Amino acid sequence: GAVVSQHPSRVICKSGTSVKIECRSLDFQATTMFWYRQFPKKSLMLMATSNEGSKATYEQGVEKDKFLINHASLTLSTLTVTSAHPEDSSFYICSAPPGGNTEAFFGQGTRLTVV
Amino acid sequence: AQSVTQPDIHITVSEGASLELRCNYSYGATPYLFWYVQSPGQGLQLLLKYFSGDTLVQGIKGFEAEFKRSQSSFNLRKPSVHWSDAAEYFCAVGELAAGNKLTFGGGTRVLVKP
Repeated sequence: GAVVSQHPSRVICKSGTSVKIECRSLDFQATTMFWYRQFPKKSLMLMATSNEGSKATYEQGVEKDKFLINHASLTLSTLTVTSAHPEDSSFYICSAPPGGNTEAFFGQGTRLTVV
Repeated sequence: AQSVTQPDIHITVSEGASLELRCNYSYGATPYLFWYVQSPGQGLQLLLKYFSGDTLVQGIKGFEAEFKRSQSSFNLRKPSVHWSDAAEYFCAVGELAAGNKLTFGGGTRVLVKP
């Protein structure tokens, strides 16, 4: 199956700093990628849809200036958590659909801890 | 808007016993349905999916699920549970037209007793 790679898998950062998370489709091109967030012991919530060559589409309640998304190429989307605070600590996971009648593939996820 | 409900937050089952996890969805068109499993601290693994065709879907690790349109359900089953099946299970409905943007249910945590 198609492979989506997410990096880093874990990151600890200080409050007030920014953190960048990368999502790469390794063997296919993805014009669209999705970013989800999972709070501890909770389900996954869609944060935004990343669109190659255009602005991301954010779900209601997600701060655009807080969670910057850039889809610079057909194989890479990045999520930058700006001025991170402890409440941003969470599990972030991306997915990318290869296209056609098939499901999107998930990255391994990134566990962010803000101290 | 679509939604997914997993009525059971926790289920405890004895090893070797059968398991059924419930999933109900709300979706305006033909749904694309998925079951994922997540072990503690890990990412998501796709167990099975339903797009069309046979309503009984076979997946990995001995799991199966049945799509029942009349009941808006997509319940997951396994005849005999192994200790390694202890994990969190998520049902999801997807929009293929939107490139598989998924809406997840709240999840069911499965505990396996020896």
